[in-house]
Amino acid sequence: GAGVSQSPRYKVAKRGQDVALRCDPISGHVSLFWYQQALGQGPEFLTYFQNEAQLDKSGLPSDRFFAERPEGSVSTLKIQRTQQEDSAVYLCASSADTGLGIHEQYFGPGTRLTVT
Amino acid sequence: QQQVKQSPQSLIVQKGGISIINCAYENTAFDYFPWYQQFPGKGPALLIAIRPDVSEKKEGRFTISFNKSAKQFSLHIMDSQPGDSATYFCAASPVWEYIFGTGTRLKVLA
Repeated sequence: GAGVSQSPRYKVAKRGQDVALRCDPISGHVSLFWYQQALGQGPEFLTYFQNEAQLDKSGLPSDRFFAERPEGSVSTLKIQRTQQEDSAVYLCASSADTGLGIHEQYFGPGTRLTVT
Repeated sequence: QQQVKQSPQSLIVQKGGISIINCAYENTAFDYFPWYQQFPGKGPALLIAIRPDVSEKKEGRFTISFNKSAKQFSLHIMDSQPGDSATYFCAASPVWEYIFGTGTRLKVLA
């Protein structure tokens, strides 16, 4: 594919349900990022992978949030026991470099999560 | 110290005019400053980016001006068009993640 793809594009979950959001990065991109974007705000960093290694998860808001990238390509962001404050757009971005140099990040369209 | 402050929150410009969006930061460890454009329902799209060793970078109608001593940078959109109407985010990167500003909603009147 030409760009970063995410699925589903929209997800409605009842409070307390678990959700899984998928990201397919640009082929060959080493670095993968997850961001959370609240309505009317800029994206906020959640976590970073270099290949399959999760190098930074400092932005994950609670232990209900979990991300993985087991084979160094597709990534899944999982949110357990969803709460209303989890409602946001979840953006995935990928980058060709290892994170130590110039790093242009390319974003997917996002998954809009609504927790009712 | 990790914040990026962006202004104005919203901006209305006549077609053909210049749109100017400003950002300021505190952390001198930031070493990469991209600008993104976001349309409703879409992900952010990279417009242009600059490193702190350069004071200005121009790509087409988009120019970044960078003032390292003042810790400020700005985006100038020349000959603004209605199709430029979108939300613009500045960002700064200390290591690998981006720290985004709060966004500027630009409306270009036809």
